[in-house]
Amino acid sequence: GQNIDQPTEMTATEGAIVQINCTYQTSGFNGLFWYQQHAGEAPTFLSYNVLDGLEEKGRFSSFLSRSKGYSYLLLKELQMKDSASYLCAVTDSNYQLIWGAGTKLIIKP
Amino acid sequence: SQTIHQWPATLVQPVGSPLSLECTVEGTSNPNLYWYRQAAGRGLQLLFYSVGIGQISSEVPQNLSASRPQDRQFILSSKKLLLSDSGFYLCAWSRLAQNTGELFFGEGSRLTVL
Repeated sequence: GQNIDQPTEMTATEGAIVQINCTYQTSGFNGLFWYQQHAGEAPTFLSYNVLDGLEEKGRFSSFLSRSKGYSYLLLKELQMKDSASYLCAVTDSNYQLIWGAGTKLIIKP
Repeated sequence: SQTIHQWPATLVQPVGSPLSLECTVEGTSNPNLYWYRQAAGRGLQLLFYSVGIGQISSEVPQNLSASRPQDRQFILSSKKLLLSDSGFYLCAWSRLAQNTGELFFGEGSRLTVL
């Protein structure tokens, strides 16, 4: 079966760095997405990786290793507004989008 | 700029009652449209997607249906709601087909079936 694994919840301190991991087992691969979702709101796009390596976008970076079926989202200089759930999603060989359950990130002052 | 709007934002319905959620997209033409459901602690579940007017693909057999009467309008319906239909419903659109591009989500509709 197809599976996306990410931690259920993580806690970090304001100003620090946090890495949210995502591992996937899918039938093929055509890209990996990260979305941010604040409580009670809709998800918003953060990043898209289709090739191995690190993509940096301001305080957020996303890494992909296709051979390991692994990605991480790195958040630097954490702010209170970064408290949210972070969703990992993979497009498989049939171009179906498989979603993880999300990681709830709690930022403490 | 493109916008997506869905309504109502929240609703409480009794079991067996009908449902209609509406979604409209502005600022783009021929978008790919999606209805998702999000249950607590679970990943987004794709319910329906559409690549054009009158073209609906169903991903999960259930008592829900979808229609696309106009290019930028997508409607989610049910004739008789079940308790298990409770959840957070999200409409989304994308420019690119085959899930290779960014999804833009509406504000969401929280449905509680009692």
